[in-house]
Amino acid sequence: AQTVTQSQPEMSVQEAETVTLSCTYDTSESDYYLFWYKQPPSRQMILVIRQEAYKQQNATENRFSVNFQKAAKSFSLKISDSQLGDAAMYFCAYKYGGATNKLIFGTGTLLAVQP
Amino acid sequence: DAGVIQSPRHEVTEMGQEVTLRCKPISGHNSLFWYRQTMMRGLELLIYFNNNVPIDDSGMPEDRFSAKMPNASFSTLKIQPSEPRDSAVYFCASSPRPGLVMNTEAFFGQGTRLTVV
Repeated sequence: AQTVTQSQPEMSVQEAETVTLSCTYDTSESDYYLFWYKQPPSRQMILVIRQEAYKQQNATENRFSVNFQKAAKSFSLKISDSQLGDAAMYFCAYKYGGATNKLIFGTGTLLAVQP
Repeated sequence: DAGVIQSPRHEVTEMGQEVTLRCKPISGHNSLFWYRQTMMRGLELLIYFNNNVPIDDSGMPEDRFSAKMPNASFSTLKIQPSEPRDSAVYFCASSPRPGLVMNTEAFFGQGTRLTVV
């Protein structure tokens, strides 16, 4: 069965610094999608970034970028120039490709940003 | 589009009572997911539907939980009878079918915070 593992329950970063959140997954599929979601205290789930497995190029969204290592089944999130508003719970997610469309999440990493 | 709409936002009920959570997905999305979030277990996938048909309900904790999707614009998650350990935030999410659009992420509702006393 596919699984998503986030090995860092909590992380802390200084404002304006860079932090990397880790995620690994286990799958036998070749076609799938990976996501990072942010959940602030409001509990709203917000998409941060997405990556299609067939794309070799790492996705980037402003200060957020990923390091996608398909062979190693690793999908880390890098946040550059951290801001106080980045403080939240971050979830890594795996979505099956094809018609299955099943979406599963890791256990999350709580990110604190220190002023 | 108003996004995924869940109701109620908060629910407090007594142990043994029936609880029904409601979800309206984004129009045109063909997949609907129900998740439960707790501190101990994180975000658990309870059940998901494709084209109104339940595909995988292996995450449903026990027979007290049931979910329906009578049409493309409405789904319910029912707990009967409720127990204190069911207290959690329940999320509904919807997504479009892969291949039809570039972006296949799930869009989440605001969640229902359920407290069973």
